[in-house]
Amino acid sequence: QLQLQESGPGLVQPSETLSLTCTVSGGSVSSASYYWTWIRQPPGKGLEWIGHIYYSGSTKYNPSLKSRVTISVDTSKNQFSLKLSSVTAADTAVYYCARRVTRPEFFDYWGQGILVAVSS
Amino acid sequence: AIQMTQSPSSLSASVGDRVTITCRASQGIRNDLGWYQQKPGKAPKVLIYVASSLQSGVPSRFSGSGSGTDFTLTISSLQPEDFGTYYCQQDYDYPLTFGGGTKVEIK
Repeated sequence: QLQLQESGPGLVQPSETLSLTCTVSGGSVSSASYYWTWIRQPPGKGLEWIGHIYYSGSTKYNPSLKSRVTISVDTSKNQFSLKLSSVTAADTAVYYCARRVTRPEFFDYWGQGILVAVSS
Repeated sequence: AIQMTQSPSSLSASVGDRVTITCRASQGIRNDLGWYQQKPGKAPKVLIYVASSLQSGVPSRFSGSGSGTDFTLTISSLQPEDFGTYYCQQDYDYPLTFGGGTKVEIK
């Protein structure tokens, strides 16, 4: 059974960089069949796709965040990571990592989510 | 970006009722649409993909239909465990986008 687990600080200072890691167990981030994805959800609001990384290292980002987002993968640790720079209170959200199947395309596994608050 | 508009934004229905949620895309997306259920404090869970394919393990009372710009999620007989918020999501073009959600409450 695949499991994804987000980890990282729950509080980030404004203007700093938010850094999260998703550890994958029961499967491999090196598989060509999936995109490894970050999605966020501000408290009480809807879902926003942040971006994904493919096993090859190729990435796709939401243009609304593109200048501030970096997603990377560490195959040796079976992890992928999110960095979001210059955060503001608007970046306060539950951050989910998820696996997206490539054919057909849908999110089949999600982490439990991690709440990250941006506050001084 | 493709806008996904869901209606209604919330509904209250009784156990056994037939429930329909609609999702409209701002442009044609073929059948590249999924439906997700989210319960409070939990991650979303896929119900339907490519508009009408039922994910393994999901009860058959859930069904999806539609193509192009208009889609529907139907719960044929609402059960107590079906409370939560339902989201549609388009997989046709980047950025991937979600509808605003439909909150389902059991009367």
